[in-house]
Amino acid sequence: GENVEQHPSTLSVQEGDSAVIKCTYSDSASNYFPWYKQELGKGPQLIIDIRSNVGEKKDQRIAVTLNKTAKHFSLHITETQPEDSAVYFCAGHDSNYQLIWGAGTKLIIKP
Amino acid sequence: DVKVTQSSRYLVKRTGEKVFLECVQDMDHENMFWYRQDPGLGLRLIYFSYDVKMKEKGDIPEGYSVSREKKERFSLILESASTNQTSMYLCASRSGGSNQPQHFGDGTRLSIL
Repeated sequence: GENVEQHPSTLSVQEGDSAVIKCTYSDSASNYFPWYKQELGKGPQLIIDIRSNVGEKKDQRIAVTLNKTAKHFSLHITETQPEDSAVYFCAGHDSNYQLIWGAGTKLIIKP
Repeated sequence: DVKVTQSSRYLVKRTGEKVFLECVQDMDHENMFWYRQDPGLGLRLIYFSYDVKMKEKGDIPEGYSVSREKKERFSLILESASTNQTSMYLCASRSGGSNQPQHFGDGTRLSIL
């Protein structure tokens, strides 16, 4: 079945710098890759997603890239701000179209 | 705005007790989910439901059951709580297909003593 691996588990960057979080997936049939952000004490919230028919998608300071050949996708956050501090999860689909989640990345923005 | 409400933020129960976790959504969504979240393991799907009175097992259903008597409410039941069920439990709902966003509640942190 589908397996999604995410790294790093913790990422610390200086405010204003960029952050990149990477995920790999195993099922080549997977075609939908969302990213969720979980702030402290809250449930995860969708921030961006990408479908397999595109290679990149941007929304202001965040972007996601997808390499189907290599079966990996990445989240890019530019000009990081304190409110970007959170845990980020990537996900892919399994054969039953349920989400399989990465283990999460704790992003720390240093002032 | 979308709202998923979990009845308790924190819950402490004893081994062997029957535990009920309640989730209500106000968006008329067909699909509802229960996950548990553990450090380093991400979110793991326990059960989900596509419609009233309908339920499907997820990846880790052992020791759990669910109930969906009304469209807006999805309950998770720990039949006989054990210490290895201490975890954060997240409920979510979704409208439409699997490539639509899931909307999460803020979670219930359950401790089994």
